[in-house]
Amino acid sequence: ETGVTQSPTHLIKTRGQQVTLRCSSQSGHNTVSWYQQALGQGPQFIFQYYREEENGRGNFPPRFSGLQFPNYSSELNVNALELDDSALYLCASSLAGGLAKNIQYFGAGTRLSVL
Amino acid sequence: GNSVTQMEGPVTLSEEAFLTINCTYTATGYPSLFWYVQYPGEGLQLLLKATKADDKGSNKGFEATYRKETTSFHLEKGSVQVSDSAVYFCALHQGGKLIFGQGTELSVKP
Repeated sequence: ETGVTQSPTHLIKTRGQQVTLRCSSQSGHNTVSWYQQALGQGPQFIFQYYREEENGRGNFPPRFSGLQFPNYSSELNVNALELDDSALYLCASSLAGGLAKNIQYFGAGTRLSVL
Repeated sequence: GNSVTQMEGPVTLSEEAFLTINCTYTATGYPSLFWYVQYPGEGLQLLLKATKADDKGSNKGFEATYRKETTSFHLEKGSVQVSDSAVYFCALHQGGKLIFGQGTELSVKP
């Protein structure tokens, strides 16, 4: 148990729709990162939020956007869904600063299927 | 750019066999290195880490040593169990993000 919770666990959408995924970070953690894991692949970094601001972004188009709230929970929004967006979306929380700053703890993920 | 390469899977072993999963990386500077494990239908769990050259990370009988000279972080376990069956990911941390290898599936047979 990492203390990182994601919702929903599964989601089915159709092409062109919009989706919002949610993540509650581990208690005391102030940084949230989002990753996309396609079937049979390693996770790919989407972006990171720290103190409610985007703090780094991977090679994903602008239709992938996010938010972080004052309680450090986070949302990932994807607009204009495409078939290739079908994947497991993982949220990871961490604590910026200190010896533990490089350790990210993952939730169980949200499985998104786009039909 | 930075990258991680793992040996291809799947790897199939008998219970109590010795395990090695190779991992090499390309990076600027001295990144922290990690092994994560993913059981079927679950997210990633941190298995072990090393933050500088010659550090050895260990957990649950698994070990990996940060080798700067060969840019490697190979995962080893002396005697695997059926419960170790999972997908193992090597990763490096740099600039706030994790860069993962493609994963190696391990299947341990009784």
